Amino acid sequence: NAGVTQTPKFHILKTGQSMTLQCAQDMNHGYMSWYRQDPGMGLRLIYYSAAAGTTDKEVPNGYNVSRLNTEDFPLRLVSAAPSQTSVYLCASSFPLYEQYFGPGTRLTVT
Amino acid sequence: SQQGEEDPQALSIQEGENATMNCSYKTSINNLQWYRQNSGRGLVHLILIRSNEREKHSGRLRVTLDTSKKSSSLLITASRAADTASYFCATDANQGAQKLVFGQGTRLTINP
Repeated sequence: NAGVTQTPKFHILKTGQSMTLQCAQDMNHGYMSWYRQDPGMGLRLIYYSAAAGTTDKEVPNGYNVSRLNTEDFPLRLVSAAPSQTSVYLCASSFPLYEQYFGPGTRLTVT
Repeated sequence: SQQGEEDPQALSIQEGENATMNCSYKTSINNLQWYRQNSGRGLVHLILIRSNEREKHSGRLRVTLDTSKKSSSLLITASRAADTASYFCATDANQGAQKLVFGQGTRLTINP
């Protein structure tokens, strides 16, 4: 199993541009989540999905997700802002079990 | 505000010594989890302890949970240089399974 994969690993974006961060898992997990991690901080939950076809937002606007199938959970930055410079981590799990994390995407918005 | 808060924020010990990290949280939980993050990498799950458990072991790791005090501790025995990492506790805050809230982490450095 590849586990949780994320692409790209690094990206530089200009203010106002949009992009999609990809996340995929091959463990048939129902739950998938997106977190952001800022320097010296813990992780902050952005979006999560309990199953294909459902999503729930945790933080205000600027992000969008879709969960069309079990495997993929892409995160879209609609109009990037410097405040969205961060490391983005995707995770998946079965209910009430540990989460498996991807390696992360380091995003810089200039 | 953060649900879980680790203490200390940074810890530096000699190889072979034991390391203890603490986590406090604010609301009732289903479970509490500990994760490790090596520099520049994703998080790796260490131990999950459920609210009806008091202690759990995994190799050199021991986790305790005191729900009356809303606190947990992670003990790493006989530390090694490879244990150098940041350690995070995460709780589900009884909101439903996977909406984890992470603390800011403890940065552990093992000196040779």
